[in-house]
Amino acid sequence: GESVGLHLPTLSVQEGDNSIINCAYSNSASDYFIWYKQESGKGPQFIIDIRSNMDKRQGQRVTVLLNKTVKHLSLQIAATQPGDSAVYFCAENMMGKSTFGDGTTLTVKP
Amino acid sequence: DAGITQSPRHKVTETGTPVTLRCHQTENHRYMYWYRQDPGHGLRLIHYSYGVKDTDKGEVSDGYSVSRSKTEDFLLTLESATSSQTSVYFCAISESTGSNTGELFFGEGSRLTVL
Repeated sequence: GESVGLHLPTLSVQEGDNSIINCAYSNSASDYFIWYKQESGKGPQFIIDIRSNMDKRQGQRVTVLLNKTVKHLSLQIAATQPGDSAVYFCAENMMGKSTFGDGTTLTVKP
Repeated sequence: DAGITQSPRHKVTETGTPVTLRCHQTENHRYMYWYRQDPGHGLRLIHYSYGVKDTDKGEVSDGYSVSRSKTEDFLLTLESATSSQTSVYFCAISESTGSNTGELFFGEGSRLTVL
């Protein structure tokens, strides 16, 4: 069967490596899925989103993958940089209400 | 950055006292939200508003009330603060409709400590 990445509360990567952050969501009826980045002492900021009828979307250095079969979302960050160190949250949105998953703290080692 | 201002940014109060947090936006967005953020729980929705005088409860609304008398202001009130309400509170806004993502724009947060 297909392997689904586990959600990890913390992730440490070497600068320049690729990072993969995983998230499980709960509502199969959710319309959109969004990744947010939260730096220390600040509010979360939008990174990338994906509509429920898509399975992949790419941005600048980031890619979001959606697997509706197992209700799993992942965020891939290419060539991770020190400025990427933050807490990352996934959120599922339905009818204007967003529900957030547990965050993952990404630490980038120089 | 989205024009969202939260006040106060930091507050220390005692159990049993009333507290009001204010969120002010300059974006004219229809939807406004209050979330709380606690270690181990991520962001949880307290209340939200979908228009002036239109509000609804979120998943952790007990002990909180809200009011929205103008598009730009959304107030969160703790009638009688308890230590369990010590948290960081975030206001967010969006122009969520049925056809967009509902991307949220967050304020900088208000750290509340109830002694």
